[in-house]
Amino acid sequence: DGGITQSPKYLFRKEGQNVTLSCEQNLNHDAMYWYRQDPGQGLRLIYYSQIVNDFQKGDIAEGYSVSREKKESFPLTVTSAQKNPTAFYLCASSRGQGTAEAFFGQGTRLTVV
Amino acid sequence: GNSVTQMEGPVTLSEEAFLTINCTYTATGYPSLFWYVQYPGEGLQLLLKATKADDKGSNKGFEATYRKETTSFHLEKGSVQVSDSAVYFCALSTTSGTYKYIFGTGTRLKVLA
Repeated sequence: DGGITQSPKYLFRKEGQNVTLSCEQNLNHDAMYWYRQDPGQGLRLIYYSQIVNDFQKGDIAEGYSVSREKKESFPLTVTSAQKNPTAFYLCASSRGQGTAEAFFGQGTRLTVV
Repeated sequence: GNSVTQMEGPVTLSEEAFLTINCTYTATGYPSLFWYVQYPGEGLQLLLKATKADDKGSNKGFEATYRKETTSFHLEKGSVQVSDSAVYFCALSTTSGTYKYIFGTGTRLKVLA
């Protein structure tokens, strides 16, 4: 079945450590996205990529980094510079056209202690 | 800029009641509009979409009509069930330049038996 796989589902890290969240899709989609979800704030865009080897900052990119070396993969690194990293992270992909919908993974809940 | 505004929740209804969740948007150009649903601890699932003015999206008894004159995309269902309890997100996709998705803050629906 085609879809988006995020791993792991739950992740715990100590403060000051970098952590990388995985996102893989087999939908052959050109565009991929990372969102952060906090209670009462909806989804906020962190980074997005329209094509391999290219990506753009979203609204809350500070303290995060990404790479897009393969069409299928768009990993997100939460660095120690991110002031409040505990959140639910959602990865999505789409065909990259204005009328196309985004498909979401199941999310990764990151807790920094 | 582009933005989506949803009615605040939570919305609490009895089973078989009529549901309306309001959504209005601000956008340049002619965005596509979406409703997504999220169940606890999961990612977002597309519920329905509309890609041009006066289009009606529908799925599983839910409907929404793209109203350009009022910049609205209200979600409706004639008779809700307990299983409809979830968080509902209204979203738009930008149509010029880079394609990305802007989400509302979400509306929690609780349906009581």
